[in-house]
Amino acid sequence: EDKVVQSPLSLVVHEGDTVTLNCSYEVTNFRSLLWYKQEKKAPTFLFMLTSSGIEKKSGRLSSILDKKELFSILNITATQTGDSAVYLCAVPYDKVIFGPGTSLSVIP
Amino acid sequence: DTGVSQDPRHKITKRGQNVTFRCDPISEHNRLYWYRQTLGQGPEFLTYFQNEAQLEKSRLLSDRFSAERPKGSFSTLEIQRTEQGDSAMYLCASSFLAEELNFGPGTRLLVL
Repeated sequence: EDKVVQSPLSLVVHEGDTVTLNCSYEVTNFRSLLWYKQEKKAPTFLFMLTSSGIEKKSGRLSSILDKKELFSILNITATQTGDSAVYLCAVPYDKVIFGPGTSLSVIP
Repeated sequence: DTGVSQDPRHKITKRGQNVTFRCDPISEHNRLYWYRQTLGQGPEFLTYFQNEAQLEKSRLLSDRFSAERPKGSFSTLEIQRTEQGDSAMYLCASSFLAEELNFGPGTRLLVL
């Protein structure tokens, strides 16, 4: 059965730390992988990854995909309290399957 | 505002009652998805449409749940004979094919 797994499920760091969030997947007919950030509302889009080894960056966030090993990582450098959220990984092939999310708490 | 909208934003109902939620997607998007999310969990897939065709429905979804997208635009999700376990956030999202999903604000359901 198709599935998306994320680790860790929760993480507590201090402001300024760098974090790496992991997402692995087992999906037939893979086309892309999506990252979302969810605060106390609906998820908001961060990145779409389709090609291995090409890093996508947006400010302090970056992400990369490894299609051979079937995983992606999301890095956040110099974390801020505003980064506290649940980070969701999703794989669309027809329906879109989400992982359980990583709950990140950044403390001052 | 040209984003995805959902109505109502909150719904409190008594067990056994029927509820209906509406989702208006981004107009040029042909795909519409419904998800359910409970605290501490990722969004759980319920069903999705491409235009007016319902292409897949989760096997976890009981017969009390039904969704429609009659003209390929807005969609409704109905829950019949609600149970306390139906309490959750119901999220709608739209996309052009299986690309970036744009989520609506969600409908939070509480079944008493």
